[in-house]
Amino acid sequence: EDQVTQSPEALRLQEGESSSLNCSYTVSGLRGLFWYRQDPGKGPEFLFTLYSAGEEKEKERLKATLTKKESFLHITAPKPEDSATYLCAVQAETGANNLFFGTGTRLTVIP
Amino acid sequence: DTEVTQTPKHLVMGMTNKKSLKCEQHMGHRAMYWYKQKAKKPPELMFVYSYEKLSINESVPSRFSPECPNSSLLNLHLHALQPEDSALYLCASSQGRGSADTQYFGPGTRLTVL
Repeated sequence: EDQVTQSPEALRLQEGESSSLNCSYTVSGLRGLFWYRQDPGKGPEFLFTLYSAGEEKEKERLKATLTKKESFLHITAPKPEDSATYLCAVQAETGANNLFFGTGTRLTVIP
Repeated sequence: DTEVTQTPKHLVMGMTNKKSLKCEQHMGHRAMYWYKQKAKKPPELMFVYSYEKLSINESVPSRFSPECPNSSLLNLHLHALQPEDSALYLCASSQGRGSADTQYFGPGTRLTVL
């Protein structure tokens, strides 16, 4: 059965304090792994798509990496505006285009 | 442009009302989705339309009725809802092709059922 687990559930960082969010997955053939950012009461904002182990993508202070079992979202020198819930989702080869979401990591960056 | 628009932003309705949520995209995407999201939970898939045909219905109660009038528009008709249906309703779209298919989400409609 497809499963996505994100940790930690919540993370508080001081401004400038770098850290990583984890997304562990079990899926019967990975078609893609996706990272989204979601602000309260708003729709998820697309960040990255990763397709295969070893792939890395960067955008401003964010860098996403992928192995065969997990993905990390590294946040370098975060700012208060990076505070949000970060969602990881997987798309399986056999699941049409469905996204299977993890429960998210709620990040708070303190000035 | 990766914009998906949704109207209305907020909706309050009684259990006997009939209302509709609307979603629009102009990215040429051929797959469109409805999700329901409760507070502090991830989005839950409700329906998938692929090339204007309903391809997935995740055992959603019949009081939710989706409609895809054309490749750019997606509606969700609501009737006789229950208070537990109060949630953020999200629309998304994607190219609809076989490879890893990135979904782009709209801002959502906050629905409150009294």
